[in-house]
Amino acid sequence: GQQLNQSPQSMFIQEGEDVSMNCTSSSIFNTWLWYKQDPGEGPVLLIALYKAGELTSNGRLTAQFGITRKDSFLNISASIPSDVGIYFCAGLNSGGSNYKLTFGKGTLLTVNP
Amino acid sequence: GAVVSQHPSRVICKSGTSVKIECRSLDFQATTMFWYRQFPKQSLMLMATSNEGSKATYEQGVEKDKFLINHASLTLSTLTVTSAHPEDSSFYICSASLVGVNTEAFFGQGTRLTVV
Repeated sequence: GQQLNQSPQSMFIQEGEDVSMNCTSSSIFNTWLWYKQDPGEGPVLLIALYKAGELTSNGRLTAQFGITRKDSFLNISASIPSDVGIYFCAGLNSGGSNYKLTFGKGTLLTVNP
Repeated sequence: GAVVSQHPSRVICKSGTSVKIECRSLDFQATTMFWYRQFPKQSLMLMATSNEGSKATYEQGVEKDKFLINHASLTLSTLTVTSAHPEDSSFYICSASLVGVNTEAFFGQGTRLTVV
């Protein structure tokens, strides 16, 4: 199926560093969602973006909906060990009865204490 | 956020048996739920869209007779893996969409299926 281009695939950083990851698509979405998945668990919604250009924060997390509606980034500031996990972006076009998500391949984040 | 509960979290079954996985939206009604399969270190692969009161819509390559989906109420969808084989061993995850002015999707905790 269709997938978003998410980068980087993996990151190894030191505790306290900032992190940035992004997703791009060839098609437009009217909603961007960012999830974090811990091993053996389902994805947990971190941030939802609904308007082009929107910049939204959730604690140390900040995400933006690109102006073209074809991209989004997620920043994590002052990383801590519990930030370890896989981060997924997802695009959604909630029109009619179709609420299918299109997922990126994920960014595996490792934080060294 | 809204809560989606998936049960069981882990199941081990013998080859040839069937396994049922439940997905419940606890604090909202979901006319549409989704079932995913996830292989290690990979993204989520959509298997099917579960529609309340009607037949599920399966993605290309997913056997509908193997993966039976029932969405009998606005808060419950079930996935039954029939005649399970070791290659069906995987992590299965459901999601439900909270539809409104802004639509969000929430996931269950996932089910680790091991077929021996």
